[in-house]
Amino acid sequence: QKEVEQNSGPLSVPEGAIASLNCTYSDRGSQSFFWYRQYSGKSPELIMFIYSNGDKEDGRFTAQLNKASQYVSLLIRDSQPSDSATYLCAVIFNDYKLSFGAGTTVTVRA
Amino acid sequence: DTEVTQTPKHLVMGMTNKKSLKCEQHMGHRAMYWYKQKAKKPPELMFVYSYEKLSINESVPSRFSPECPNSSLLNLHLHALQPEDSALYLCASSQVASSGNTIYFGEGSWLTVV
Repeated sequence: QKEVEQNSGPLSVPEGAIASLNCTYSDRGSQSFFWYRQYSGKSPELIMFIYSNGDKEDGRFTAQLNKASQYVSLLIRDSQPSDSATYLCAVIFNDYKLSFGAGTTVTVRA
Repeated sequence: DTEVTQTPKHLVMGMTNKKSLKCEQHMGHRAMYWYKQKAKKPPELMFVYSYEKLSINESVPSRFSPECPNSSLLNLHLHALQPEDSALYLCASSQVASSGNTIYFGEGSWLTVV
């Protein structure tokens, strides 16, 4: 069974702080990893993708991938109230199906 | 910005109705997908079309019938649905259906079955 696991949260952080989201996956052969943001009542919006070990930065977002540990994370720096949403970790397994974790709900307190 | 357009955005249908959800993408992608998302759950894959051919059907009941008229269009025909089929239906696309290709979602169609 191929699985993607996330801490369901909710994760509450004060405005300006760093929000740290974690995700583990079961298939060591996985090659592609994504973070989607989903606001309530809206569709998932791609915010980051990462394919190689290490860090990838885009604005206030940093994705970190460690294939040996089967672990991918997302850091949100200088968190803003507009970052309050559910963050979905997604992995493409060898069968090219995109599988999602349960999502982590983030609330940024003003 | 993604260019996956879904219509209608909201649909209410009775259990005896026949309706369709439509999806169009303008990115030249050759893979298109239907996902279903229930409240507070992650999206679940229903169908994958690759080069206009159905390549994955995740054991979806036959009351859901996908159709891919061309590489830009993907429809989902609905017939004799049940109230538990009420959900957000998401269309998505990617360049091809393979690992390493980013999948982009449309805004979704909210379906209520009464």
